[in-house]
Amino acid sequence: DTGVSQNPRHKITKRGQNVTFRCDPISEHNRLYWYRQTLGQGPEFLTYFQNEAQLEKSRLLSDRFSAERPKGSFSTLEIQRTEQGDSAMYLCASSARQGPNTEAFFGQGTRLTVV
Amino acid sequence: AQSVAQPEDQVNVAEGNPLTVKCTYSVSGNPYLFWYVQYPNRGLQFLLKYITGDNLVKGSYGFEAEFNKSQTSFHLKKPSALVSDSALYFCAVRDITGGGNKLTFGTGTQLKVEL
Repeated sequence: DTGVSQNPRHKITKRGQNVTFRCDPISEHNRLYWYRQTLGQGPEFLTYFQNEAQLEKSRLLSDRFSAERPKGSFSTLEIQRTEQGDSAMYLCASSARQGPNTEAFFGQGTRLTVV
Repeated sequence: AQSVAQPEDQVNVAEGNPLTVKCTYSVSGNPYLFWYVQYPNRGLQFLLKYITGDNLVKGSYGFEAEFNKSQTSFHLKKPSALVSDSALYFCAVRDITGGGNKLTFGTGTQLKVEL
């Protein structure tokens, strides 16, 4: 499978715990995005990397959230001190070329449940 | 800010009938528009995108979309619906303000195709 891969697919955690998600983009893609989707809503942008550089962060990305892409390949999204409001589907996407009409390809997401 | 609106939460159509899923947009500058589909417990799959100059865009699985600048719309269409088309459909616009590259999604339209 050469698509975007996300792990784990599901995560249940207790409030206050830290969690980390991983995203492996399509191998030749240099752009990587994280989105969050809650029930009944469209995905909301969290952050964007071009290679290893984090170029944009949403105001949704509080201080408890951090994302990295250390070698410009896979990326991790960490949430510290999770809250029930963090329960959502976290989606990763990647794209290859520059240009505003370049489509992004999404992974299957990691569903986080904070109890 | 760039935005899209999907005025219908749900669209019901009989198999074999044409379907339309509506999307209107608000952008400053050129619009870069996309349609994605989401099946249960799956990530988003790219269907099609608007490229300047082609008002009728053809995409995957027999879907097409009509760009209308005067009505600021980008409606998704299919001449003959299939039960397997039942899914959640999202319209999105590329937001390049401030040098960013994120997609802004609508709230989604649930398509239900019945026998």
